[in-house]
Amino acid sequence: DAGVTQSPTHLIKTRGQQVTLRCSPKSGHDTVSWYQQALGQGPQFIFQYYEEEERQRGNFPDRFSGHQFPNYSSELNVNALLLGDSALYLCASSSRGMDEKLFFGSGTQLSVL
Amino acid sequence: AQTVTQSQPEMSVQEAETVTLSCTYDTSENNYYLFWYKQPPSRQMILVIRQEAYKQQNATENRFSVNFQKAAKSFSLKISDSQLGDTAMYFCAFIIYFGNEKLTFGTGTRLTIIP
Repeated sequence: DAGVTQSPTHLIKTRGQQVTLRCSPKSGHDTVSWYQQALGQGPQFIFQYYEEEERQRGNFPDRFSGHQFPNYSSELNVNALLLGDSALYLCASSSRGMDEKLFFGSGTQLSVL
Repeated sequence: AQTVTQSQPEMSVQEAETVTLSCTYDTSENNYYLFWYKQPPSRQMILVIRQEAYKQQNATENRFSVNFQKAAKSFSLKISDSQLGDTAMYFCAFIIYFGNEKLTFGTGTRLTIIP
């Protein structure tokens, strides 16, 4: 049983560029959440997707957007990258209504130069 | 606002000893879950232990146990017989039960087990 898979593992971009990160949830899960973990910090909630719609959103600007596909996989898009967007981006999946049973992927390390 | 505070940025302990990591949190909600997550160098967040706030009994998972003090909003993690594989970042977190559906994390404690 594959867990939560994220791609790519590492990514290097320059300021102003756009980036897309991908996540496949654990088998049987239908809800995907994204978190940003800056160096030396705990993860911060970006948003959550269920039934292909954004259900909850944290305190992140509109440059951060997402999408969920019918197979429950998800993408995180960040436009107009800033140096401060450099972080580990974690994807977590769960079954709807069971957010206490989140499973995390290994993340995508994004470096913005 | 909901917050989690971990006041110990770093800790170290000899192998086979017992160590306790501290966590306090703040919420006006009454029903929530509390967690300890481990993040090794592989970066994956691994669930160590979970506590339902409505349960008075402290959760245990093998060598890991918690001391949950709801009135004091305190949730510490005790690791017994520590092993080299326990070396990692440890994050305390909570989620509102059927609430805002997001985990709120602390800033973490870097734990090093010394051989």
